[in-house]
Amino acid sequence: QKEVEQDPGPLSVPEGAIVSLNCTYSNSAFQYFMWYRQYSRKGPELLMYTYSSGNKEDGRFTAQVDKSSKYISLFIRDSQPSDSATYLCAMSAGSGGSNYKLTFGKGTLLTVNP
Amino acid sequence: ETGVTQTPRHLVMGMTNKKSLKCEQHLGHNAMYWYKQSAKKPLELMFVYSLEERVENNSVPSRFSPECPNSSHLFLHLHTLQPEDSALYLCASSQDSGLAGAQQYFGPGTRLTVT
Repeated sequence: QKEVEQDPGPLSVPEGAIVSLNCTYSNSAFQYFMWYRQYSRKGPELLMYTYSSGNKEDGRFTAQVDKSSKYISLFIRDSQPSDSATYLCAMSAGSGGSNYKLTFGKGTLLTVNP
Repeated sequence: ETGVTQTPRHLVMGMTNKKSLKCEQHLGHNAMYWYKQSAKKPLELMFVYSLEERVENNSVPSRFSPECPNSSHLFLHLHTLQPEDSALYLCASSQDSGLAGAQQYFGPGTRLTVT
C-alpha cells in the first residue's frame, strides 16, 4: 500500500460547482497536512497548511483532516476557471525536527469549465 | 525578484555534457531543497540544506551534485546524465528544516531534457 493515495483524475466540473479533492494515507504518524496547487509549467504553490485533525478555511478553500480515518480533503466553493490546475496533497510526520520530509500524492488534475 | 527563482527554465543537454541549475530564494529562509518531478510520480526529495549544511541526501546518484554557498542560493550540478533523468527539477525553501519545514515554497522549476 502506498503511503499517500490520491486519485489522479482528471476531474472536470462546471464553473460555480463545489469541488472535493481527497487523499488517503497509511502512516498514522503524519501530523502536518498541506495542499499545493500547481498550474501547468509552474512550481507548486502552498494553498493550505493544517496541523492534526479539524477544518481550516481560507476564502473559497476549506481543508479537512480526519486522522481517525486517515483521510484529508480540500473543498473549493464557487469554483472558477482560474482554479484549473493540478492539486497535490502532502504530509509530514514532523518527528525528530524533520518536518521537511514531505510525502506527496501524485496530484489530481482539475478543470473548471466556463 | 520575489519568492523563489530558478534558472534556466528549460535545459536540453546531451549525456556527456556538464550543466548547472541555479536557485535563489528572496524570502529570508534558512532551508533549501531540490526535488525531482516526473510524470505520473509523486515529487521526490533529492537534497536538503539547512543553514548551508547538507542534512539529507536521498540516495541520489553521484551524477547530481548539490552546492549551497549561502542560505539564499542553491545549485545542482549535472554531469553524464541519463535519459531517465529528464524531469522537472524544483527548488523549494522554508523558514527552517524543523518546525517550519513542512511549509515549503517552490520555484517555477527547470524542465530538463537529456538527449
